[in-house]
Amino acid sequence: QQPVQSPQAVILREGEDAVINCSSSKALYSVHWYRQKHGEAPVFLMILLKGGEQMRHEKISASFNEKKQQSSLYLTASQLSYSGTYFCGTKGGSGNTGKLIFGQGTTLQVKP
Amino acid sequence: EAQVTQNPRYLITVTGKKLTVTCSQNMNHEYMSWYRQDPGLGLRQIYYSMNVEVTDKGDVPEGYKVSRKEKRNFPLILESPSPNQTSLYFCASSFVMNTEAFFGQGTRLTVV
Repeated sequence: QQPVQSPQAVILREGEDAVINCSSSKALYSVHWYRQKHGEAPVFLMILLKGGEQMRHEKISASFNEKKQQSSLYLTASQLSYSGTYFCGTKGGSGNTGKLIFGQGTTLQVKP
Repeated sequence: EAQVTQNPRYLITVTGKKLTVTCSQNMNHEYMSWYRQDPGLGLRQIYYSMNVEVTDKGDVPEGYKVSRKEKRNFPLILESPSPNQTSLYFCASSFVMNTEAFFGQGTRLTVV
């Protein structure tokens, strides 16, 4: 079951904050976040593991609520370079399988 | 330079003509995976491999085959391509599952 990301798209001004949510109908073992710029390959941001701590990548942080089967990506004081499509990938089970299911993506546009 | 290399980058083929998209990584990664990306659907996992000679189905394996005879290579085989397999394909590798994945540059396949 594909996780649901919200919002589908967001437009920000430089310096504004944004939150991208990723919600699954199944119990999760880990959540993987990637950013893809137009015409390029996805680039790793962070992985959150069950029972792990909140992660941070520069001014981007993420949380993982295992009980709610949700993860949120927080973009603080957004920069033009943050523009792109953000994908969450979810992995269920006990962590022994390699199946990773991505959401449909959230397109973020940061304007000057 | 650490990288994942896919070939070809672009391919136009006809229905039913067998083709192979190669993927090679030079980072000694155990985990490799293939995804297809279609507008509005995000990244969908086709097959993955946890290690040499170990492969398993992802979310959309129908019409595809893979093999993992060596650690560095993970080719994607389309025995009889059909137009609904027209898509952008990405290969990715990571040290093990649940670590940072590195993506190849992508292969844009058109089946007519």
